[in-house]
Amino acid sequence: EDKVVQSPLSLVVHEGDTVTLNCSYEVTNFRSLLWYKQEKKAPTFLFMLTSSGIEKKSGRLSSILDKKELFSILNITATQTGDSAVYLCAVEAFIDNDMRFGAGTRLTVKP
Amino acid sequence: NAGVMQNPRHLVRRRGQEARLRCSPMKGHSHVYWYRQLPEEGLKFMVYLQKENIIDESGMPKERFSAEFPKEGPSILRIQQVVRGDSAAYFCASSPQAIVQETQYFGPGTRLLVL
Repeated sequence: EDKVVQSPLSLVVHEGDTVTLNCSYEVTNFRSLLWYKQEKKAPTFLFMLTSSGIEKKSGRLSSILDKKELFSILNITATQTGDSAVYLCAVEAFIDNDMRFGAGTRLTVKP
Repeated sequence: NAGVMQNPRHLVRRRGQEARLRCSPMKGHSHVYWYRQLPEEGLKFMVYLQKENIIDESGMPKERFSAEFPKEGPSILRIQQVVRGDSAAYFCASSPQAIVQETQYFGPGTRLLVL
């Protein structure tokens, strides 16, 4: 059965630290992997990754996909308290655009 | 512990028909959230429910859409008189407490196609 596993489930760091969030997957007919940040209501889209080894960056956030080892990482450098949120990983499949979410990583950044 | 269940996984309706989407939260979870994902767009919040109560429906269209989470049974998202623009993936998530305290667990989604 398809599955998406995120680790760690929760993480507490101090401002200025760098964090790495992990997402591993087993999905048939992989199409893309997406990262979201969820604070209150709907998750906010961060990145979509489709090709292995190509890093995507947005400010202090970056992400990369390894389609051979079936995982992705989300890096956040120089963390700020505003980065505190649940970070969700989701994987889309070609067949029926099936989408599976991981359980999320809850990041807490302390001042 | 089974995850969040949604059914049907795929639903095809003709314009004007009704669509009923079901969401069974994880065991022990009393908070349910519905989201809509349109093609090439992110997830959009629709409604947040606790058992027998609608807490926040600010993201749900005022007409044709309704949601409920009865004391017994799954949460239902109901779309009356569907139109082509309702075609989307509808995701449900559940949590044991309100979102700010707890992580949400997402279901696999229901893909609605309106012909």
